[in-house]
Amino acid sequence: QKEVEQDPGPLSVPEGAIVSLNCTYSNSAFQYFMWYRQYSRKGPELLMYTYSSGNKEDGRFTAQVDKSSKYISLFIRDSQPSDSATYLCAMEGGGGNKLTFGTGTQLKVEL
Amino acid sequence: NAGVMQNPRHLVRRRGQEARLRCSPMKGHSHVYWYRQLPEEGLKFMVYLQKENIIDESGMPKERFSAEFPKEGPSILRIQQVVRGDSAAYFCASSPGQGSGETQYFGPGTRLLVL
Repeated sequence: QKEVEQDPGPLSVPEGAIVSLNCTYSNSAFQYFMWYRQYSRKGPELLMYTYSSGNKEDGRFTAQVDKSSKYISLFIRDSQPSDSATYLCAMEGGGGNKLTFGTGTQLKVEL
Repeated sequence: NAGVMQNPRHLVRRRGQEARLRCSPMKGHSHVYWYRQLPEEGLKFMVYLQKENIIDESGMPKERFSAEFPKEGPSILRIQQVVRGDSAAYFCASSPGQGSGETQYFGPGTRLLVL
């Protein structure tokens, strides 16, 4: 079993839709939770960063962390074609600073 | 303000050759991380370095792979005697080096193709 599970998609939605992306994990030591966006053949770009449980909002993006369920989510409101990318969840904890990534969910927002 | 820089962006090697990948961290960052992304897989941690010091190499293959971050110059990921299975995108990230949970900023990656 992988430490972090993420549905690879692809996920296709119409422009303006609300997108829900999520990851589950098994390591209870994870304390820091991140979402990265990766365009094709580019490096990952940090979107959201959350420490421990709770919600965080930034513009059209909302990140949620539920440590009791070992479940994290990213919501994208009013999705745009420019949001089409692969979304990677990442986690860190237990010392060492290394990030553990999900496999990524490929999202396509269609006109 | 330049971000993390990696070169070359693309590298082609024949089996048995050596590959050297370079990474210059963001200005003011003293910690460097290397990750590998295989096709259809997420990024996998390889190694975590500070200047002149390897902090965590638990993700590095035991043979043929090495990394350094010298006092002067970029961090280098070196792969000796490459095999086809080494074909992947290699990403470098950097952070300021102030403690746990730091944001890691990624470079554009080096795409290695082994023929």
